[in-house]
Amino acid sequence: DIQLTQSASTLSASVGDRVTITCRASQSINSWLAWYQQKAGKAPNLLIYKTSTLESGVPSRFSGSGSGTEFTLTISSLQPDDFATYYCHQYYTYPYTFGQGTRLDLK
Amino acid sequence: QVQLVQSGSELKKPGASVKVSCKASGYIFSNYVLNWVRQAPGQGLEWMGWINTNTGNPTYAQGLPGRFVFSLDTSVSTVYLEISSLKAEDTAVYYCARSTSDVGNYWGQGTLVAVSS
Repeated sequence: DIQLTQSASTLSASVGDRVTITCRASQSINSWLAWYQQKAGKAPNLLIYKTSTLESGVPSRFSGSGSGTEFTLTISSLQPDDFATYYCHQYYTYPYTFGQGTRLDLK
Repeated sequence: QVQLVQSGSELKKPGASVKVSCKASGYIFSNYVLNWVRQAPGQGLEWMGWINTNTGNPTYAQGLPGRFVFSLDTSVSTVYLEISSLKAEDTAVYYCARSTSDVGNYWGQGTLVAVSS
């Protein structure tokens, strides 16, 4: 199975900060990586797919980059609504897998 | 609009069975696969597999016990997850998610299955 390791389990930041979350894959997944945001008690919400394509309706402050085994999710200017948990997800090969999650909380 | 509506929470005893439903609306049911994803309390997401809504053929994640079975009823645009011989470690929120280009972009609200004696 492909393991996805996110750079931090918890990240503390302030409104207006630029935040970057890294996701490393145990082997190349080309560009087949997505990012989800999940708030407590809610289903995950797709933010980005195929590494850098923004899902419809997602604010442009979210962006993704990377290829192969290293990927990043960047929030250019953190807003109050962005405090949540973020998961990377590979859909290159079965079994599809998720990173362990990064909880973004208020500093 | 696309909607996936799941059945309500369940509290079951070990050894019992449960069947979770996920009813799709707002699109042509057979055009998109549906995935199942689970999340144990306080834990991350785990992809369990998917079902081809055109053929009914399921694909299970390796290591998923045979106690987990995906099925569907196209007449009511609904997919099902049935878990038999429930164990405490099956306690989780179970989500269905519709894929577009292999990535889940529409999700059900989740169904909590709690297993406790």
